[in-house]
Amino acid sequence: KNEVEQSPQNLTAQEGEFITINCSYSVGISALHWLQQHPGGGIVSLFMLSSGKKKHGRLIATINIQEKHSSLHITASHPRDSAVYICAVRWNYGGATNKLIFGTGTLLAVQP
Amino acid sequence: KAGVTQTPRYLIKTRGQQVTLSCSPISGHRSVSWYQQTPGQGLQFLFEYFSETQRNKGNFPGRFSGRQFSNSRSEMNVSTLELGDSALYLCASSFWRNTDTQYFGPGTRLTVL
Repeated sequence: KNEVEQSPQNLTAQEGEFITINCSYSVGISALHWLQQHPGGGIVSLFMLSSGKKKHGRLIATINIQEKHSSLHITASHPRDSAVYICAVRWNYGGATNKLIFGTGTLLAVQP
Repeated sequence: KAGVTQTPRYLIKTRGQQVTLSCSPISGHRSVSWYQQTPGQGLQFLFEYFSETQRNKGNFPGRFSGRQFSNSRSEMNVSTLELGDSALYLCASSFWRNTDTQYFGPGTRLTVL
């Protein structure tokens, strides 16, 4: 079982729809990241969360530390939001050592 | 401010050769992390450098190594290349460790024939 699970793996939406991508993890973490990767490889960091909720434009990210769960919401989706969205957790596995563990990603296609 | 740069962008090698990839972080950033991305395994953490010291290492064989210079630029080296090393290698920089947003470079696409 992967330490970081994302759902759904694939998502097709119509322009304007509200989108939710979920991330569950099973290890102790110090932070959770949401990343966006467009075709061609470039990765952009969208959010880094350790508690609560963050908002940037049409994107909202929430985290529930007790339930070990995070969600990424996209309001009023647009075709330019089409990308792979990746959840990554910074795993504390002993003292000062930690590393990023990645989910397998959610491929989002927003159709006009 | 210039972003994270990686060189070369594309590389073709044959099995048994070695390769060195370079990463220049954003000016002022002191932490550099390396990641491997493949279709089968997704993104995996390779190692993290901060102040010229390796701070964390992922579950990769000793053929994968790296270093960081005093100007925070980093290199990673893969010796005795195997077909399975074909991947996109990404580096990311941040000002500090652990608690900062990481900024990713465009990656180096390595193909091993």
